[in-house]
Amino acid sequence: DGGITQSPKYLFRKEGQNVTLSCEQNLNHDAMYWYRQDPGQGLRLIYYSQIVNDFQKGDIAEGYSVSREKKESFPLTVTSAQKNPTAFYLCASSIDPTNYGYTFGSGTRLTVV
Amino acid sequence: GNSVTQMEGPVTLSEEAFLTINCTYTATGYPSLFWYVQYPGEGLQLLLKATKADDKGSNKGFEATYRKETTSFHLEKGSVQVSDSAVYFCALGNSGTYKYIFGTGTRLKVLA
Repeated sequence: DGGITQSPKYLFRKEGQNVTLSCEQNLNHDAMYWYRQDPGQGLRLIYYSQIVNDFQKGDIAEGYSVSREKKESFPLTVTSAQKNPTAFYLCASSIDPTNYGYTFGSGTRLTVV
Repeated sequence: GNSVTQMEGPVTLSEEAFLTINCTYTATGYPSLFWYVQYPGEGLQLLLKATKADDKGSNKGFEATYRKETTSFHLEKGSVQVSDSAVYFCALGNSGTYKYIFGTGTRLKVLA
């Protein structure tokens, strides 16, 4: 069964540490996305990638970094420069977002302790 | 620029009641419109979509019609169930861009 897998589901980080969230898809989708969701709020775009080895900043890229070395994988690193990293992070992929929409992972809840 | 406006929640209904969640948009060109549903602690799932004016998307008893004249894509269901309790997001996608515009979400709570 094809899908998109995020891991871990829950993640705890100490202040000042970098942490990497995993996102893997076996849908053969070209485009991948990272969104941040805060309680009771909508989704805000962090980074997106349309093809391998290429990615663009979204609306709230500061304090985050990504890589896209393989089509299947789009890891997100939350750096110590991100001042308020506690949030729910969602990864998504799409073959053609205008006509087919996104497929989302089940999310990673990051808590800074 | 493009934008999506959803009615604020929470919306609380009794089981078997009629549901409407309003969504209006502004966009250049001819966008596609989507409704996603998010259950607690999970990611979003595509519920239905419409890619051109007058299209009606439908799935699991939910419907929405793409109305260009009123720039709206309201979500409706004739008889809600407790299991429909979730957050619903309206979204807009425009050809030529890989980025979506999401609404802020509307929480629906259905009481038995």
